Amino acid sequence: QLLLQESGPGLVKPSETLSLTCTVSGASISSTSYHWAWVRQPPGKGLDWIASIHYRGRTYSNSSLKSRVSISVDTSRNQFSLKLRSVAAADTAVYYCARLAYSYGPDYWGQGSLVIVSS
Amino acid sequence: DIQMTQSPSSLSASVGDRVTITCRASQGIRDDLGWYQQKPGQAPKRLIYAASNLQGGVPSRFSGSGSGTEFTLTISSLQPEDFATYYCLHHNSYSFTFGPGTKVDIK
Repeated sequence: QLLLQESGPGLVKPSETLSLTCTVSGASISSTSYHWAWVRQPPGKGLDWIASIHYRGRTYSNSSLKSRVSISVDTSRNQFSLKLRSVAAADTAVYYCARLAYSYGPDYWGQGSLVIVSS
Repeated sequence: DIQMTQSPSSLSASVGDRVTITCRASQGIRDDLGWYQQKPGQAPKRLIYAASNLQGGVPSRFSGSGSGTEFTLTISSLQPEDFATYYCLHHNSYSFTFGPGTKVDIK
């Protein structure tokens, strides 16, 4: 069974960098048929796609966050990671990682990781 | 960018009711659309993919239809465990856009 698990600090100070890692188990991240994505959901609000990556390294990001986001993949550890620079209170959210199937959209999701931006 | 809208934004219904939620895309998206259910504190769960295909393990009271710019999610007989927020989602091969959500609560 495919499982995704987010990990990283739950509290980040304003202006610093938010870093999260998603560990994939039960399947290889090195599949040509999928991208791997990050999504966030501020408290009480809807869901927003942040960025995606293919195991070969091609990346895509939401234009609203593009200047602050980087996404990377480590195939040896079956993980992919998110960095969001210069965070502010508005970046407080539950961050999810997900698998994105080419033809059918996101199918598997992590349980989510709450990140609070506060001094 | 393609924008997704949903209606209604919320609804109150009783157990056993038939519920229909509509999703519209700002331009044609073929059938590149899914429906997701989210309960408080949980990750979204896919119910429907490719507009009308039922995800494995999802009860048959859920159904999806539509193509192009207008899509619907129907719950034929609402059950207590169905009270949640429902999102439509348009995807391409590397990104996706959620609708704003429809909250279904108990009348």
